[in-house]
Amino acid sequence: EVQLVESGGGLVKPGGSLRLSCAASGFTFSSYSMNWVRQAPGKGLEWVSSISSSSSYIYYADSVKGRFTISRDNAKNSLYLQMNSLRAEDTAVYYCARAWELQEDYYFDYWGQGTLVTVSS
Amino acid sequence: EIVMTQSPATLSVSPGERATLSCRASQSVSSNLAWYQQKPGQAPRLLIYGASTRATGIPARFSGSGSGTEFTLTISSLQSEDFAVYYCQQYNNWPPSLTFGGGTKVEIK
Repeated sequence: EVQLVESGGGLVKPGGSLRLSCAASGFTFSSYSMNWVRQAPGKGLEWVSSISSSSSYIYYADSVKGRFTISRDNAKNSLYLQMNSLRAEDTAVYYCARAWELQEDYYFDYWGQGTLVTVSS
Repeated sequence: EIVMTQSPATLSVSPGERATLSCRASQSVSSNLAWYQQKPGQAPRLLIYGASTRATGIPARFSGSGSGTEFTLTISSLQSEDFAVYYCQQYNNWPPSLTFGGGTKVEIK
């Protein structure tokens, strides 16, 4: 059974930093691109960042570019998101999501339960 | 960036009735569109990919159609467990961009 378990969320002051983790199990982690998707309270979904299976390709939404860094450790079956210079508008539940990537396909077939990040003074 | 617009924002439907949800893209995304269902307090769940292919384990009452800029998710006979928020997502512009629609909430009438 595929499982994605996020951790590391919490309350942080504006300008602060936080590192999120996602522990994966039930599939060959090193074979899949992974993503972070967030959802502000009461709002819709926003793709944040993607990393390919071997970390060769990394992409960010414009809203986080230069502040967030995605990484992975295939030996530990783990995905990370280092978030710096946090702003109030970064407050959201952050989901780890596996990508199904084949030819033109790139959608999210498994999601974690999310971890809440609150940026407030 | 491709903008995805979903309508209506809220759809009130009685159990057993048909629900039709719309998703429009600001430019063609071919058939590179997915639909997700999200219930309160839960993570999204993949329903449809390739505009019309049901994901594993998704009941046949869910169907997707459309291509280009106009897409529809139809739930043929609403069950109690189908009341949720539904999102569309385009991946035609990947990389480097993936975008979601704003969602349609399907509520009990």
